[in-house]
Amino acid sequence: QKEVEQDPGPLSVPEGAIVSLNCTYSNSAFQYFMWYRQYSRKGPELLMYTYSSGNKEDGRFTAQVDKSSKYISLFIRDSQPSDSATYLCATYTGTASKLTFGTGTRLQVTL
Amino acid sequence: DAGVIQSPRHEVTEMGQEVTLRCKPISGHDYLFWYRQTMMRGLELLIYFNNNVPIDDSGMPEDRFSAKMPNASFSTLKIQPSEPRDSAVYFCASTPRPGAPFLSGYTFGSGTRLTVV
Repeated sequence: QKEVEQDPGPLSVPEGAIVSLNCTYSNSAFQYFMWYRQYSRKGPELLMYTYSSGNKEDGRFTAQVDKSSKYISLFIRDSQPSDSATYLCATYTGTASKLTFGTGTRLQVTL
Repeated sequence: DAGVIQSPRHEVTEMGQEVTLRCKPISGHDYLFWYRQTMMRGLELLIYFNNNVPIDDSGMPEDRFSAKMPNASFSTLKIQPSEPRDSAVYFCASTPRPGAPFLSGYTFGSGTRLTVV
């Protein structure tokens, strides 16, 4: 079993829809949770992060962590075609130098 | 800042051949990571360096894989001999503050798409 599980999709939604992307993880030591966005033929780039449980909002994006259920979510409001990309969740214990990534969910926002 | 630079962008080689992938990290970033990405397994860490020294190579799949960082501005990942199952996109990433990756994030290169036929 991978330490971080993510539905690969693809997920197709119409423009303006609310998108929910999710990950589950198994290691209780993970303290930091990140979302990376990866456009086609590009490397991943950091979108946002949260520490421990709770919500964090950045514009149209909201990251949510529930440590009791080991569940990570990213919500995108008013989705745009430019949001079409693969979204990868990533976790980090805080005491080691490496991130653990999910496999990524491919999102397509259609006009 | 040109970001993390990887070369080549694409590589097609025959099984059994040696393949060398190259990476130039961002100046001042003390940590460099090599990742491999496939549809089935996602993004997997192969090895990472701190100040040019390999710290954790537990992700290197086999002895056919080797990585070096002779100086702060250059790293190579070599596969010898290559096999079709090595086909993947290989990413290099660097960060200045590994203890707080969420603050600056890892900066990834655009990757090398390797196809072994």
